[in-house]
Amino acid sequence: DAGITQSPRYKITETGRQVTLMCHQTWSHSYMFWYRQDLGHGLRLIYYSAAADITDKGEVPDGYVVSRSKTENFPLTLESATRSQTSVYFCASSESMLGDREVGHTEAFFGQGTRLTVV
Amino acid sequence: AQRVTQPEKLLSVFKGAPVELKCNYSYSGSPELFWYVQYSRQRLQLLLRHISRESIKGFTADLNKGETSFHLKKPFAQEEDSAMYYCALTNSGNTPLVFGKGTRLSVIA
Repeated sequence: DAGITQSPRYKITETGRQVTLMCHQTWSHSYMFWYRQDLGHGLRLIYYSAAADITDKGEVPDGYVVSRSKTENFPLTLESATRSQTSVYFCASSESMLGDREVGHTEAFFGQGTRLTVV
Repeated sequence: AQRVTQPEKLLSVFKGAPVELKCNYSYSGSPELFWYVQYSRQRLQLLLRHISRESIKGFTADLNKGETSFHLKKPFAQEEDSAMYYCALTNSGNTPLVFGKGTRLSVIA
């Protein structure tokens, strides 16, 4: 199916365990993003990637690791999960960096989200 | 630093009443502003962007650089407008989206 998909949709894990959230897009978009959504905080950027093998930190990167070996995949790993990482995680992709006037206006397409609970 | 402020966590209006979701931003350059919407059990999606000057589902938003605001408006609310609304900002071509904390709109029949 075309689009952007996240897996798993729901995950419960224990404190201290490593967990990886997957994100896959079929458009060959250059840019991919990971956000977490928390009550009272809205969406906060964790990491983003401009292309394969290029990643940058966002607002809240601590405790997370990303990789982008292929354009279509952008997995997010929690190396040692903590309760404060309980959240809903959204992956997004876009053709260009948003608001790029040279490329043309574009939008970010979001995955359906992964609800992660750390117990 | 870029910042987006949505002062209302929850906004309840009656069906047919006007709606205004407030968004203020702080940014020193030329920002691009967006409104994203998340309906129940659906993914986040773009509603509109200031550069397009379009009306989507009856919603409009005007960028006011003097007041640094990008309020979302609709003259007559519908029940299907009930959703979470996020205002977002980016530097022109260089930075990822920065989101506000969101406003939950509840339209009461």
